[in-house]
Amino acid sequence: NAGVMQNPRHLVRRRGQEARLRCSPMKGHSHVYWYRQLPEEGLKFMVYLQKENIIDESGMPKERFSAEFPKEGPSILRIQQVVRGDSAAYFCASSPLAGTHEQFFGPGTRLTVL
Amino acid sequence: GESVGLHLPTLSVQEGDNSIINCAYSNSASDYFIWYKQESGKGPQFIIDIRSNMDKRQGQRVTVLLNKTVKHLSLQIAATQPGDSAVYFCAENWKTGANSKLTFGKGITLSVRP
Repeated sequence: NAGVMQNPRHLVRRRGQEARLRCSPMKGHSHVYWYRQLPEEGLKFMVYLQKENIIDESGMPKERFSAEFPKEGPSILRIQQVVRGDSAAYFCASSPLAGTHEQFFGPGTRLTVL
Repeated sequence: GESVGLHLPTLSVQEGDNSIINCAYSNSASDYFIWYKQESGKGPQFIIDIRSNMDKRQGQRVTVLLNKTVKHLSLQIAATQPGDSAVYFCAENWKTGANSKLTFGKGITLSVRP
């Protein structure tokens, strides 16, 4: 059973470009969480999604950031018009149940904005 | 508000010694507390968790202690090995209905001296 997969592992974008980060949850998991980690910091919750639904987006910046988890395919975190402050590691976690603390993390995507 | 923090940024221990990593939290409504280990370039890896109605839980070479009176969490690693070198995060899970959100501390680096 493969773990949580994220791609790309490293992404470089210039200011103003778009970044798309993908997350494939573990098999059988229908709950996905996205976190952002700045250097020397802990992970900060961004958004919690179930298939085709956003459950909690209280940690998402109001502008430029969006997330989806379609019925088929991976979850996508999309950042439009990236700025240097978006440079961070973005981690995805999945869980098999709603409202559980048992989350399994992927290896992360390291976004660098030039 | 919610906050989880760690007392010390780094910890250096001799191989074979016991390690103790401490964490303070502020959200009394959290139902679980979790310790994660993060190696360089990787995602957080679950170590051990403890439910809020417990005060101690043991795993393989690790023990987590929870003191709700002073809102303090600790991770004890017995016979620390070089492979234990990593950044350790405490996290608390705040559950509201079917929603569940992890709040992470900033992390502490454990360095094991051979």
